[in-house]
Amino acid sequence: RKEVEQDPGPFNVPEGATVAFNCTYSNSASQSFFWYRQDCRKEPKLLMSVYSSGNEDGRFTAQLNRASQYISLLIRDSKLSDSATYLCVVNDYGGSQGNLIFGKGTKLSVKP
Amino acid sequence: DAGITQSPRHKVTETGTPVTLRCHQTENHRYMYWYRQDPGHGLRLIHYSYGVKDTDKGEVSDGYSVSRSKTEDFLLTLESATSSQTSVYFCAITPGLQGSSLQFFGPGTRLTVL
Repeated sequence: RKEVEQDPGPFNVPEGATVAFNCTYSNSASQSFFWYRQDCRKEPKLLMSVYSSGNEDGRFTAQLNRASQYISLLIRDSKLSDSATYLCVVNDYGGSQGNLIFGKGTKLSVKP
Repeated sequence: DAGITQSPRHKVTETGTPVTLRCHQTENHRYMYWYRQDPGHGLRLIHYSYGVKDTDKGEVSDGYSVSRSKTEDFLLTLESATSSQTSVYFCAITPGLQGSSLQFFGPGTRLTVL
């Protein structure tokens, strides 16, 4: 069974801290990778896509290591509003299309 | 905003009763999905649709059926609800970006089966 594994946390960090989440995936043929954010009792929302060269969006940086089948998300200068569960998501077969497989999520709590 | 609504947003029902959840989208997306989310599990795909009257099973399809008679509506039916189907159900769409599997989600339906 194709899987996406994440550390469930929780990660409890102070405001301003840098925090990193990691995830591994089992399907070496996957080509689409995403990080979603899910607030309590809400739907998942796309945080960012993850590209082979790595990509950055403000305080958020995503990295992909295809050889190790490993994805990371780095959050710098954490804000209280970053508190949420972060889902690592991978498409389930070769190519960039196909259905998605979701990790169980990593919970982040940013404290004052 | 992906223009997705789900109804009802909350429902409590009894074991053995039929339940239908509706997902409605306003932007003519071809692909639509139903997921369930439970503590200790990631989102799990129940069924998906790739066009009107074209549907297929996902990972956890047992006990569920779907229908898509028009582009904008994707219905999920529990023919005879069981307590194990107590969950949060999310509908999703894939926008028309060529070669992309990116999905956007509706607000969810919280279903409790007593």
